[in-house]
Amino acid sequence: KAGVTQTPRYLIKTRGQQVTLSCSPISGHRSVSWYQQTPGQGLQFLFEYFSETQRNKGNFPGRFSGRQFSNSRSEMNVSTLELGDSALYLCASSLELAGTYEQYFGPGTRLTVT
Amino acid sequence: AQTVTQSQPEMSVQEAETVTLSCTYDTSENNYYLFWYKQPPSRQMILVIRQEAYKQQNATENRFSVNFQKAAKSFSLKISDSQLGDTAMYFCAFMNRDDKIIFGKGTRLHILP
Repeated sequence: KAGVTQTPRYLIKTRGQQVTLSCSPISGHRSVSWYQQTPGQGLQFLFEYFSETQRNKGNFPGRFSGRQFSNSRSEMNVSTLELGDSALYLCASSLELAGTYEQYFGPGTRLTVT
Repeated sequence: AQTVTQSQPEMSVQEAETVTLSCTYDTSENNYYLFWYKQPPSRQMILVIRQEAYKQQNATENRFSVNFQKAAKSFSLKISDSQLGDTAMYFCAFMNRDDKIIFGKGTRLHILP
């Protein structure tokens, strides 16, 4: 079974631009979570989608948004990019069936804002 | 390829007991970082403890400590005097010098009253 995939793997943008990152969960997984990883802040939770609905949300400004499609694929959008948005963005999917819970992380998208 | 393995999908212990969560990893690198993250139902990821591979001394944060065995590539987390608030998912993670981070699948820990 294929793992969680994220595209693109690397991205360079300039301040003020917007960016869209994509995450394809493991087949059959309905929950997708997004995280921002930076050396200073560590791993921070952005949001979680389950069956096309945002179920949980972290403490990020409204410039960060996401959505989930009917096939469970998810996209994350960041508008009006700032230098501080440079980070590794991780996506994780989980099955959540009958009380089981294992979270599988993708390789991440490295975003650099210049 | 680097991998992180958490062999215990789920564990339960009584409040006030000590519990150890296991984590093994595979890498050919010599310099790297290891982490334990706690994830409550809110999905926030809380950094519990971190260990630099070049440090031989095991990291400790209050009731949390690690047993880092570099040669064995083992990084277990010990929680002493466990509390109800410790109930959560715990993820072990490996990060190399290029900031590539790899997570284990997690261990669900239940602290029973």
